[in-house]
Amino acid sequence: GNSVTQMEGPVTLSEEAFLTINCTYTATGYPSLFWYVQYPGEGLQLLLKATKADDKGSNKGFEATYRKETTSFHLEKGSVQVSDSAVYFCALRPLTQGGSEKLVFGKGTKLTVNP
Amino acid sequence: KAGVTQTPRYLIKTRGQQVTLSCSPISGHRSVSWYQQTPGQGLQFLFEYFSETQRNKGNFPGRFSGRQFSNSRSEMNVSTLELGDSALYLCASSSLRRDTQYFGPGTRLTVL
Repeated sequence: GNSVTQMEGPVTLSEEAFLTINCTYTATGYPSLFWYVQYPGEGLQLLLKATKADDKGSNKGFEATYRKETTSFHLEKGSVQVSDSAVYFCALRPLTQGGSEKLVFGKGTKLTVNP
Repeated sequence: KAGVTQTPRYLIKTRGQQVTLSCSPISGHRSVSWYQQTPGQGLQFLFEYFSETQRNKGNFPGRFSGRQFSNSRSEMNVSTLELGDSALYLCASSSLRRDTQYFGPGTRLTVL
């Protein structure tokens, strides 16, 4: 079946530190891959996405590259800020007939950035 | 363009009651999906609607149901509430291109 595995948190970093949150997936074919972010008390916001192998998604200094050989989509940021403190979710949308939008999510990784 | 809106934002119910949650998608979006978020189970897919038809359904009991109206607004209903139904219920919509889902702020349901 389809599944997403994220590194477990919580992750605590100092401001300007380098961030990596690992994400690996299991799926048939080549799913689309996403990173969503959830700030306290809010819904999910799309951070970045990649729809095919070797695509790099990027937004707000965050990057992730779709690696089919390692079935991974790790999230990175070179210099985190206090405002990046949130929960980050890796997700996939399986390749299906009929165009279903169903997303499969990882458990989420809570990031805290200290000044 | 206004985002996905969900009402109400917070609900408190007691066991055995039923509840209806509402979701208004982004204008022009015809696909609406619902997810349940709990600390223990994380984000789980409930169901998906497109043009008033249920296109996909997650592994939830029949107490959970939904529908979509001709204006793409969607409702979900939970009957005979149980304590374990306490969760954040998130609605997401997507356009005809179907490449990205946009989420609303959620409805926080507490069952006492």
